[in-house]
Amino acid sequence: EIVLTQSPATLSLSPGERATLSCRASQSVSNYLAWYQQKPGQPPRLLIYDASNRATGIPARFSGSGSGTDFTLTISSLEPEDFAVYYCQQRSNWPPYTFGQGTKLEIK
Amino acid sequence: EVQLVESGGGLVQPGGSLRVSCAASGFTFSSHWMSWVRQAPGKGLEWVANINQNGDKFYLDSVKGRFTISRDNAKNSVYLQMNGLRAEDTAVYYCSREIGGQGFGHWGQGTLVTVSS
Repeated sequence: EIVLTQSPATLSLSPGERATLSCRASQSVSNYLAWYQQKPGQPPRLLIYDASNRATGIPARFSGSGSGTDFTLTISSLEPEDFAVYYCQQRSNWPPYTFGQGTKLEIK
Repeated sequence: EVQLVESGGGLVQPGGSLRVSCAASGFTFSSHWMSWVRQAPGKGLEWVANINQNGDKFYLDSVKGRFTISRDNAKNSVYLQMNGLRAEDTAVYYCSREIGGQGFGHWGQGTLVTVSS
């Protein structure tokens, strides 16, 4: 089973700042990595697939990069609605699909 | 518009059984893989099972032999039969439509399953 480790666990930033979230895989997942955003009381929403492709309707301020074992989600300029929990997920080697433990992006 | 609506959650005793359902609309249901993903209270996401268009099924190791995923394409529905429930199965269970080559593209609002005496 591939283990995904996200860092940091919590990130405190202000609106307008740049956010950088990391996801590291225990073995290569090629580029088969997705990112999701989850707000309280809501289901997750797909943001990025295949490491760097934005899903339908996702604003351009969200971008993803990386391949192999190290991946990054960047939010270029934080909007108030971006404060949420973010998860990475791999589909390279399954079952099972696995998720990271999440990074909470909170308002400073 | 894609819609996924889960139902059937509730309180069940350890060792008991429950079936949760997901009604889909807004897309050609029979053409898509469908998954169940769960989230324990205050915790992260955990994939549980999925089923493809042909009825092939895949499971998380910890639920194999206890949970069964199925689908009824005539009713545009996917189900998760859960037997031998344990306290650690307590979670919100989300139904999700997989988008080929992308990931879990659409999600329902979830249904809460609580396993407790």
